Amino acid sequence: NAGVTQTPKFRVLKTGQSMTLLCAQDMNHEYMYWYRQDPGMGLRLIHYSVGEGTTAKGEVPDGYNVSRLKKQNFLLGLESAAPSQTSVYFCASSYMLRENQPQHFGDGTRLSIL
Amino acid sequence: GENVEQHPSTLSVQEGDSAVIKCTYSDSASNYFPWYKQELGKGPQLIIDIRSNVGEKKDQRIAVTLNKTAKHFSLHITETQPEDSAVYFCVFTGYSSASKIIFGSGTRLSIRP
Repeated sequence: NAGVTQTPKFRVLKTGQSMTLLCAQDMNHEYMYWYRQDPGMGLRLIHYSVGEGTTAKGEVPDGYNVSRLKKQNFLLGLESAAPSQTSVYFCASSYMLRENQPQHFGDGTRLSIL
Repeated sequence: GENVEQHPSTLSVQEGDSAVIKCTYSDSASNYFPWYKQELGKGPQLIIDIRSNVGEKKDQRIAVTLNKTAKHFSLHITETQPEDSAVYFCVFTGYSSASKIIFGSGTRLSIRP
């Protein structure tokens, strides 16, 4: 049981390049999330999904796009990378029943934009 | 909008002593208050959570207390051990709302031998 797996673990991009971060979960969770973590700050929600085929904006969505074509996968895309997007990105998943449920996190993707 | 304040930002305690971290929030529309622990190079991991219908919850050396009237909840770690050294985050979660998830800024806890 792998839980939440993120690929790649590290990546260096040049300004203007594009890339996709992949998140996969094997817990059959309905909800999936993408966060970014910057030094000295807590995690900030970028986008989230409440089920296959649905996505929604979080606190800091600008410059990012997401897709949830399969229940187990949640992709985060950067169409034209900017230095301000240098960060550590975390994916998480959770059940969403009548009440809020704990999130399960991957170990992150460290992204540097030069 | 919702504001979550977490204090202190850093905390150093002697091994065996207790540590307390506090979070305050401004919006009362929440019924779920989790705490996460993040070790170096890892993602956050849930260590304890509490729902609004209880005031305190314990799990071995870890406890969380909730005061909904004063709008704060606290993490208590007793008999601290070296493996407790990490960054701890409180999280405000709106009522069944994935869009309203706000992390505190984190507390770096160091345990002195």
